[in-house]
Amino acid sequence: DAMVIQNPRYQVTQFGKPVTLSCSQTLNHNVMYWYQQKSSQAPKLLFHYYDKDFNNEADTPDNFQSRRPNTSFCFLDIRSPGLGDAAMYLCATSRDTAGGYDNEQFFGPGTRLTVL
Amino acid sequence: GDSVTQMEGPVTLSEEAFLTINCTYTATGYPSLFWYVQYPGEGLQLLLKATKADDKGSNKGFEATYRKETTSFHLEKGSVQVSDSAVYFCALNDNAGNMLTFGGGTRLMVKP
Repeated sequence: DAMVIQNPRYQVTQFGKPVTLSCSQTLNHNVMYWYQQKSSQAPKLLFHYYDKDFNNEADTPDNFQSRRPNTSFCFLDIRSPGLGDAAMYLCATSRDTAGGYDNEQFFGPGTRLTVL
Repeated sequence: GDSVTQMEGPVTLSEEAFLTINCTYTATGYPSLFWYVQYPGEGLQLLLKATKADDKGSNKGFEATYRKETTSFHLEKGSVQVSDSAVYFCALNDNAGNMLTFGGGTRLMVKP
């Protein structure tokens, strides 16, 4: 089945220690998104890639970076995690950036990050 | 800017009860509307969608109708099950850049 995969499902890191979260997709979608979600709040978009073009949200801290080496994979790097960065991180994909029918976002299962 | 407002939870129901979760939106133009469901510890799953006025989205016994006159997209189910316990998010897409605007989420708890 075509899907969005996130690894690991649970990640524990120490305060200030860099951490990388991984997302892969078999949907061959052009767009990949990273969201942060705290305590069943609404997901907050951090950034997205359209193909290799990176689009950062204005209020995303510099501590968060992303890489997309190819169509299938996208990484979220947190350079110096703070206690406030503990959250669920969700990856999503869509075929294109235009809205409309059959262009919805498909979400992965998420990675829950704990910062000690 | 665009916004989505959902009824606050938690909503607690007994099994086989009727469910309504209210959702209203503010947007320019003609957005697409979605309901996503999030089970404990999981990511978001698309439950249903509607892309134009008067469209009805339906899936797994859930329904929602795109009402442009009342800017609403209320989620309904005739008979809930314990397995429906989850957080439900209403969202819109302005059909310009495919960015989703989410409501705050509504937690549903169904008791046997």
